[in-house]
Amino acid sequence: QKEVEQNSGPLSVPEGAIASLNCTYSDRVSQSFFWYRQYSGKSPELIMSIYSNGDKEDGRFTAQLNKASQYVSLLIRDSQPSDSATYLCAVLYSGAGSYQLTFGKGTKLSVIP
Amino acid sequence: KAGVTQTPRYLIKTRGQQVTLSCSPISGHRSVSWYQQTPGQGLQFLFEYFSETQRNKGNFPGRFSGRQFSNSRSEMNVSTLELGDSALYLCASSSQGVAEAFFGQGTRLTVV
Repeated sequence: QKEVEQNSGPLSVPEGAIASLNCTYSDRVSQSFFWYRQYSGKSPELIMSIYSNGDKEDGRFTAQLNKASQYVSLLIRDSQPSDSATYLCAVLYSGAGSYQLTFGKGTKLSVIP
Repeated sequence: KAGVTQTPRYLIKTRGQQVTLSCSPISGHRSVSWYQQTPGQGLQFLFEYFSETQRNKGNFPGRFSGRQFSNSRSEMNVSTLELGDSALYLCASSSQGVAEAFFGQGTRLTVV
């Protein structure tokens, strides 16, 4: 069974600090990894995708991937109160021509002003 | 470019009824996936359609079904509604050869 694990939180960080969100996955075949942000009552919004080992930076966000350890992380620098949301890690399983995202249950982030 | 559009946004149904939800993907996207989100289970995969064919199905009972039309619009149907079907139903579309998927605003279904 393909699984994606995240700490549920809540994770509280002060404004301006770095928030670190972690995710592990079970299927070594996976090649594509995503972070979605979901505000309360809203739908998930794609904020980062990563496909290769190493770091990928986009503004204040950095995604990190380590396929050997089956580990994905998201760093948010200079955290703002508007970053307060639930962050969902998703892993793409695309075997046999199918497209299926498996999600972790999300980490709730609170940025304290 | 218009995003993924889901209708209706909110629904209240009575146990035993059936319901149909609609999803219009981003223009040019041929893959549409459906997910159920509940507080306890998180986001769970229902099924995925590509060019009118169901390519994959999650672990949901046969009461949950779907289809995709030639214009890539998709519908999902839930028959004989149960209280436990109350959830946010999300669809996501993606383009052939591109991994990113984009979600619609969801349909909030309440079964009473």
